[in-house]
Amino acid sequence: GQNIDQPTEMTATEGAIVQINCTYQTSGFNGLFWYQQHAGEAPTFLSYNVLDGLEEKGRFSSFLSRSKGYSYLLLKELQMKDSASYLCAVRDSVPHSGSARQLTFGSGTQLTVLP
Amino acid sequence: DSGVTQTPKHLITATGQRVTLRCSPRSGDLSVYWYQQSLDQGLQFLIQYYNGEERAKGNILERFSAQQFPDLHSELNLSSLELGDSALYFCASSVGTGSSLTEGGYTFGSGTRLTVV
Repeated sequence: GQNIDQPTEMTATEGAIVQINCTYQTSGFNGLFWYQQHAGEAPTFLSYNVLDGLEEKGRFSSFLSRSKGYSYLLLKELQMKDSASYLCAVRDSVPHSGSARQLTFGSGTQLTVLP
Repeated sequence: DSGVTQTPKHLITATGQRVTLRCSPRSGDLSVYWYQQSLDQGLQFLIQYYNGEERAKGNILERFSAQQFPDLHSELNLSSLELGDSALYFCASSVGTGSSLTEGGYTFGSGTRLTVV
């Protein structure tokens, strides 16, 4: 089974740094993903971690600790357009489906960036 | 444009009816995934097809069915619709089955917003 937890809401100020945490319990772990989703729009891919450590991509960084079942997404130099839902997703095995894998999403963290 | 095309963008229908949602994956992608996102709910995995065959099933109701055609486009059929089926339905695609560590994530289409009245 899968269980993914992330805060429901966060608020930060333009120009600041914010860290969005994600904890997970899963079987057959095969990677952790972060997606950004604006209201009513498609999720868009931000980052992917399969090994422990930090992955940096411009203003966005993502960290993974597999032993702790923990990840975070770090957003620097926040901009108003960063106001969105941030989805943590774990790729893991699908029960009764052999080697198939699927992304299981957390409920998302709604980030509001204030001027 | 993500390369994943979903039609229609909006659909309004009555309870008890049947609808078909269509998805064309990104060029070169063989897997298609269907997700449901209800108001204030996370993305719920429904079903996956890989190169025409069903690969994995999630929390898909028996009233729902899907298929992937030889040209790799996929259709999600929703029947005996209920008010609770109102949601955003997303299709996503990927190159492989997702079993490889080197394989990246999914590319999502813009979704179909289904409203059941």
